[in-house]
Amino acid sequence: DAKTTQPNSMESNEEEPVHLPCNHSTISGTDYIHWYRQLPSQGPEYVIHGLTSNVNNRMASLAIAEDRKSSTLILHRATLRDAAVYYCILRDKNSGNTPLVFGKGTRLSVIA
Amino acid sequence: GAVVSQHPSWVICKSGTSVKIECRSLDFQATTMFWYRQFPKQSLMLMATSNEGSKATYEQGVEKDKFLINHASLTLSTLTVTSAHPEDSSFYICSARDWVAGVQETQYFGPGTRLLVL
Repeated sequence: DAKTTQPNSMESNEEEPVHLPCNHSTISGTDYIHWYRQLPSQGPEYVIHGLTSNVNNRMASLAIAEDRKSSTLILHRATLRDAAVYYCILRDKNSGNTPLVFGKGTRLSVIA
Repeated sequence: GAVVSQHPSWVICKSGTSVKIECRSLDFQATTMFWYRQFPKQSLMLMATSNEGSKATYEQGVEKDKFLINHASLTLSTLTVTSAHPEDSSFYICSARDWVAGVQETQYFGPGTRLLVL
């Protein structure tokens, strides 16, 4: 799977939107973009995923650049409970039932 | 959504003893489960892939005789840390996917087991 680059850390004020960037310049046409997050002392949890079009769900929105070389996870109103490490992961649609491979992610701090 | 559970959530043991961690898929059958390990301030590292009814596949550098994996049923995989030492102290996380061929299914993670070896 192609590599992703994320900032090590970001900070946000509570109740403000957060835009978490991810660069994936070597993405292939069959790579899905997945976002997971890991709250302190917990296992990771799924946030959202997409291929080409922007995606919305109850947790977040995923904005994918037209050339697909970058994407942004958007939390519309950050809460203290959103403080976590956010992982952007590429996964080929033909990779079968293979495990996700995690990079370092972005540690998001939310300030009250 | 699907849930993966782990037991115990934390364990403290003496050096030289063995510790067993259970991972269960609660509302789906998992022919394959994954075991990760996470040290403080680091990312998750894949240890092994557990296959129901067959041998596990270990990542490079992970000792198969030290980390015994058994996938006895479609809903249960166990990881046994044998002769644990302080350097095995870590956060162990299991994971599984309610997989259907050709579909980008979500990978679900257990809550993790924190192991402290004294």
